[in-house]
Order: sequence, then C-alpha cells, then structure tokens
Amino acid sequence: GEDVEQSLFLSVREGDSSVINCTYTDSSSTYLYWYKQEPGAGLQLLTYIFSNMDMKQDQRLTVLLNKKDKHLSLRIADTQTGDSAIYFCAETRSQGNLIFGKGTKLSVKP
Amino acid sequence: GAGVSQSPSNKVTEKGKDVELRCDPISGHTALYWYRQSLGQGLEFLIYFQGNSAPDKSGLPSDRFSAERTGGSVSTLTIQRTQQEDSAVYLCASTPAYGSYEQYFGPGTRLTVT
Repeated sequence: GEDVEQSLFLSVREGDSSVINCTYTDSSSTYLYWYKQEPGAGLQLLTYIFSNMDMKQDQRLTVLLNKKDKHLSLRIADTQTGDSAIYFCAETRSQGNLIFGKGTKLSVKP
Repeated sequence: GAGVSQSPSNKVTEKGKDVELRCDPISGHTALYWYRQSLGQGLEFLIYFQGNSAPDKSGLPSDRFSAERTGGSVSTLTIQRTQQEDSAVYLCASTPAYGSYEQYFGPGTRLTVT
C-alpha cells in the first residue's frame, strides 16, 4: 500500500523504555523522520536517520532502520511524563514532501 | 531567529465561504510546503513550492484548493466554497533548499467550517 503505518497507542510506566514502530513504503526515501507533537503544539522534529544508516543514537533516543523490511523504530530510554505526546513517523518523497503515519499516542504513567 | 509563522491561528467560517490562510516562511528558505492535519486523514501533503518553479499541486484534494507564493516568500492557501470536511489544522513548513533534511513547521491554522 501507499501508507506509512504505525500503531495508534502505546502506554508505558515512567522510567521504562518506549519503542514505537513504523513501516514505510518508499524504498527510495532519502531520510526517515520522527516528529513529536505535544497537545496543542506544532510538529517538532525529534530525530531523523539517513537511509544508508541502520542505527542512530541521540541521548535517550535510538532509531533503528531495517531497509529490507522497510521498518523504522524509535526507542526512548528512561521515558518521562514529559515524553507524553503523539509521535509521527515520516518518509520523504522525490519533491521532498513528507508522508506521515497517523501517529502513535504515547502515554506515560507515573 | 524567527520561525515559520502562520495566520490566523484560528478561523471559523460558514460553509460555502472562501478563506485565505497565510504562511510566512523562515527568511531565505526556498522550499515551502502546505500540509493539513485532520482527525480522519492524519497529516496530508497538499502543495509544494520550490524557488520560482511551478508548484507541485499533486496533494490538493479538489479544485476548490489553490495556493500561491509571492516573491518566493509568503504563501497563501485559498479554499473556495468551504465544506465541513475542510475543517482541519493547516500546517506550513519551509526548508533552506531542495533536499534539506529538516522541515521547519509553523504552528498551524485551525480551520472550522460550520
């Protein structure tokens, strides 16, 4: 299909790790992204990975990319209540426009 | 520095009226994108401007939607004869150049069609 797929909800306890998964469609996407949207706020670029990489780590965030399976994941270590938000996976198309998944709502319980 | 700005932040309009939404990209950014975010459809690409090239309108949902970008800077998205299904948050993003990895998003305009 043409959709970027993500599970809609994830609930974790504070201090645990969160893993948000995504499958994308376009194997020629140059970059793959994770955006964060907090309630009532705009889209914030969280991290991205270039398509020739299979892992990227940035502080508490780890992005894993499996190009063969077109699978992208975002791991948040030591999840905090401030991480509660909607996380969007996105792939790029040839014009540079982004194709987004429907977003995963992460709820962090104290 | 200043980010992408959009106006108005909220717009309520009656079905059948025309609306104009404005985007001021970051100064010097050559590429500009419009997206919309709605409950049913998630985030959808609408239209893309790159410099002085003809825009890519492939994402516009109907011919009631149009956009222009004047002087390679400010962009206006126009929706004619609004329908209730047009209710959404309309987001604008800009990037420094074609192929740049990061799109900087504005805060969006929440459009409600009654």
